[in-house]
Amino acid sequence: EDKVVQSPLSLVVHEGDTVTLNCSYEVTNFRSLLWYKQEKKAPTFLFMLTSSGIEKKSGRLSSILDKKELFSILNITATQTGDSAVYLCAKPPPRDTDKLIFGTGTRLQVFP
Amino acid sequence: DTGVSQNPRHKITKRGQNVTFRCDPISEHNRLYWYRQTLGQGPEFLTYFQNEAQLEKSRLLSDRFSAERPKGSFSTLEIQRTEQGDSAMYLCASSLGQGPSGANVLTFGAGSRLTVL
Repeated sequence: EDKVVQSPLSLVVHEGDTVTLNCSYEVTNFRSLLWYKQEKKAPTFLFMLTSSGIEKKSGRLSSILDKKELFSILNITATQTGDSAVYLCAKPPPRDTDKLIFGTGTRLQVFP
Repeated sequence: DTGVSQNPRHKITKRGQNVTFRCDPISEHNRLYWYRQTLGQGPEFLTYFQNEAQLEKSRLLSDRFSAERPKGSFSTLEIQRTEQGDSAMYLCASSLGQGPSGANVLTFGAGSRLTVL
């Protein structure tokens, strides 16, 4: 099955810094790629990407997909302590199934 | 509807005991998923249902694990003869199914944390 690989595994920054989180994947019959934020409990949906080169933006967060190079990035500008969380990247496998395969996540810690 | 609801939130049990978790999905969602998450890892797929039909089961789901969704609404995940390796967060999610581009956004519950002593 497809693998989803995230990097870095962990990141520690100060408030106000900009961070870039990476997600690379193997591809067969690509359908979509999703980003989730997980604080202490439920992962919450951030973005779904289906088309290459089109940036999705929500406040200080943005994400883009590169289907040629098989990766996506999640950018967070002007980080705040409330951005501290694990950021998960996920995609459905190539065959016709609705489950999502998740990466191990990037743990972001933002200090004041 | 306040989202996906799971209970209990925490369960501590002794090795060898049986445990059952319940998930109430968002009411209009026809698909329901169970995932397991251990520390430092992303969620791992266990199984999913469309309405009452169990469509897929992971190889991770040993025969000590069973999931049901008898009326196509809430679901239960039972673990028999628990082992210490079963200690994890069990996450439930629901969805409307595939969107126009085949994309499927899952909405997760807060999870049920199992500790097996």
